[in-house]
Amino acid sequence: EVQLVESGGGLVQPGGSLRLSCAASGFTFSSYWMSWVRQAPGKGLEWVANIKEDGSEKYYVDSVKGRFTISRDNAKNSLYLQMNSLRAEDTALYYCASSPHYWGQGTLVIVSS
Amino acid sequence: DIQMTQSPSTLSASVGDRVTITCRASQSISSWLAWYQQKPGKAPKLLIYKVSSLESGVPSRFSGSGSGTEFTLTISSLQPDDFATYYCQQYNTYFGQGTRLEIK
Repeated sequence: EVQLVESGGGLVQPGGSLRLSCAASGFTFSSYWMSWVRQAPGKGLEWVANIKEDGSEKYYVDSVKGRFTISRDNAKNSLYLQMNSLRAEDTALYYCASSPHYWGQGTLVIVSS
Repeated sequence: DIQMTQSPSTLSASVGDRVTITCRASQSISSWLAWYQQKPGKAPKLLIYKVSSLESGVPSRFSGSGSGTEFTLTISSLQPDDFATYYCQQYNTYFGQGTRLEIK
């Protein structure tokens, strides 16, 4: 059974940092592009970042460029999102995904003072 | 960057209706298009992948078509469980803004 389990969310002050993790199982993680997707309260789905199978290519939505870094460890079947300089507008449920087939249940990030 | 534009944003329909949602990409995305259904508090559920392939377990009243830059999701006969929000996505990147399907 495929599982993607996110962790690391929480409450953080504006300007702070968080590192999200995603543990993958049930499929050959190293063979898939992976991505982070977020959904702000009451809003639509927004792609945040993605990373190639071997980590050699990474892409970001403009609003997080220079602040967020996606990475992966294929030996640990894990995906990460380092989020720095967090803003209120980064408040969202963050999903780990290898679209279209595999999605986690999300981890909530709240940026507030 | 590729932009995905969905229409309409909101669709009012009745049980038994046939409905179509359109997704346009700002440039060709080949066949790398998926459709999802999302209900409040839940993760997106995959309905259609590679433009027209039905995900296992998804009812056959859902279908997808299109190519290049224009794609459609059709529900042939709406059921009560279908009232939700629908999104298109180019694989691992941009989403459409969503179509909220509501009961007329």
